[in-house]
Amino acid sequence: DVKVTQSSRYLVKRTGEKVFLECVQDMDHENMFWYRQDPGLGLRLIYFSYDVKMKEKGDIPEGYSVSREKKERFSLILESASTNQTSMYLCASSPPMNEQFFGPGTRLTVL
Amino acid sequence: GNSVTQMEGPVTLSEEAFLTINCTYTATGYPSLFWYVQYPGEGLQLLLKATKADDKGSNKGFEATYRKETTSFHLEKGSVQVSDSAVYFCALIEYGNKLVFGAGTILRVKS
Repeated sequence: DVKVTQSSRYLVKRTGEKVFLECVQDMDHENMFWYRQDPGLGLRLIYFSYDVKMKEKGDIPEGYSVSREKKERFSLILESASTNQTSMYLCASSPPMNEQFFGPGTRLTVL
Repeated sequence: GNSVTQMEGPVTLSEEAFLTINCTYTATGYPSLFWYVQYPGEGLQLLLKATKADDKGSNKGFEATYRKETTSFHLEKGSVQVSDSAVYFCALIEYGNKLVFGAGTILRVKS
């Protein structure tokens, strides 16, 4: 079975802190994605990556950056966390032009 | 651009009732279509998919048929259970490996 793991299920941070959300997949997938999910707004794509060291902006990249140094790992970075970044963050991976496999999510609260 | 429209929820049904969740899409070409399910507190799981017109995807008693004439991919189940209570997302894959999601439909099944 494909497994996508995220470093934390719940995280509480303070405004201004630098936050790292880690995602690891074990199926050698080329593509990896970061979404945030908010009530009434559905899933919104933040960043995605087609290959190691490659990244593309999604629909809402402002306030975020990403890193993909190894194929299996895709990190989302909040350079200076703000309260409006309180959300559920979902990571996913996929082979080319195929369904995405999701991790369990990280619920981030920024105080 | 491509888009997916789902019926608004929440949908509330009694156990053993028939379920339909409508999904229509706008896309160039004939993209693969997906239904994902999200149980409370978890990430998204692929429920079923269809890759070409007239394909029927099925899993766990759920079915959906890819109808290109009506650009629809409605989700159906003959007899729902309390354990089916979740949020259901319809999605299509577009060029660039990105998924386009509908807003999600909350299903509540009462015993």
